Amino acid sequence: QKEVEQNSGPLSVPEGAIASLNCTYSDRGSQSFFWYRQYSGKSPELIMFIYSNGDKEDGRFTAQLNKASQYVSLLIRDSQPSDSATYLCAVMRDNAGKSTFGDGTTLTVKP
Amino acid sequence: GAGVSQSPSNKVTEKGKDVELRCDPISGHTALYWYRQSLGQGLEFLIYFQGNSAPDKSGLPSDRFSAERTGGSVSTLTIQRTQQEDSAVYLCASSLRQGINQPQHFGDGTRLSIL
Repeated sequence: QKEVEQNSGPLSVPEGAIASLNCTYSDRGSQSFFWYRQYSGKSPELIMFIYSNGDKEDGRFTAQLNKASQYVSLLIRDSQPSDSATYLCAVMRDNAGKSTFGDGTTLTVKP
Repeated sequence: GAGVSQSPSNKVTEKGKDVELRCDPISGHTALYWYRQSLGQGLEFLIYFQGNSAPDKSGLPSDRFSAERTGGSVSTLTIQRTQQEDSAVYLCASSLRQGINQPQHFGDGTRLSIL
């Protein structure tokens, strides 16, 4: 079992819909959780991070964390074609900053 | 510079040669991280630095890999006697400091191809 699991996709949603991206992790000691977006051939860019149970909203993006279920998700509202990318979930266990990444979910938003 | 800078952006070399990859972090960032990304895969942690010190080298795949950081700034990742399985994109990231609430900012990576 991988430490961080994501559905590889591809996930396809129509423009304007809500895209839901999921991530599970195996280490209960994990403390913080990051979502990165990666366009093809480009480096990852941070979308948002969360470390408390519950929801965290930033514009069209909402991260949801449930530590009891070891589950973190990213919701993208009003999806746009420009949101089409691979979304990487990263988990950080301690203050060292070493992050463990999932393999990513590819999202396609169709006009 | 404004962001993390990596060089070269692309490197093609023959099996058995040594390569050096360079990372220049965001000014003032004390923590620096190296990752490797193979095609279609997530990021694999290699090593991180806090200042010039590397407390965790557990991710380095073999003793052919080494890294150093000088002056709390530029870092170099060296791969000796390259093998074809070393082909990947090598990404460097930096953060202001270590910590669970410190996001990492990535450079554009070095795409390494071993012939």
